[in-house]
Amino acid sequence: GQSLEQPSEVTAVEGAIVQINCTYQTSGFYGLSWYQQHDGGAPTFLSYNALDGLEETGRFSSFLSRSDSYGYLLLQELQMKDSASYFCAVRDEAAGNKLTFGGGTRVLVKP
Amino acid sequence: GAVVSQHPSRVICKSGTSVKIECRSLDFQATTMFWYRQFPKQSLMLMATSNEGSKATYEQGVEKDKFLINHASLTLSTLTVTSAHPEDSSFYICSAREGQETQYFGPGTRLLVL
Repeated sequence: GQSLEQPSEVTAVEGAIVQINCTYQTSGFYGLSWYQQHDGGAPTFLSYNALDGLEETGRFSSFLSRSDSYGYLLLQELQMKDSASYFCAVRDEAAGNKLTFGGGTRVLVKP
Repeated sequence: GAVVSQHPSRVICKSGTSVKIECRSLDFQATTMFWYRQFPKQSLMLMATSNEGSKATYEQGVEKDKFLINHASLTLSTLTVTSAHPEDSSFYICSAREGQETQYFGPGTRLLVL
């Protein structure tokens, strides 16, 4: 089966940098995705890493190390609107490339 | 990114009735669609996976006779919650993918069973 671990909650101030770590165990790793979900809303796609390294998209970056079964999402220049839950998700070839989600990290941005 | 719509966004029904939720991919062909359920402050739990024209594959513990899934075309999948009960009240989210591309989510349907 698959399992993912990420911190349950992080609090930071506006303008700060937050790193959300995700470790995973899968049978056939295909890629690591990150999604953002605001309260009452649906998940929105942020990034996808299939290969080792850093992917940068504006203020958000995502990193993957396949050998360590580890990745992180980096949120820079935090804004109040970044307060949301962030989920890492693994695509597992052994599971038909379905997405399995971590428990989510609730990020609270304070003024 | 690609657009996935879901209807209705919110539904309230009496216990024992059936509720149908539609999921549409608006600008791509969804060869695979997924249905998730999310309880408050919890993660998304996959209920079933459906490929167009095939029977859905249900995750362990999900009753296929209670949660009927139909993926009749490359742009439409429906989830019918049959004989809904209060414990079925949840946030139901569909997701769609074309081939092995990125998976996109619909806006979700909040179901409240009285």
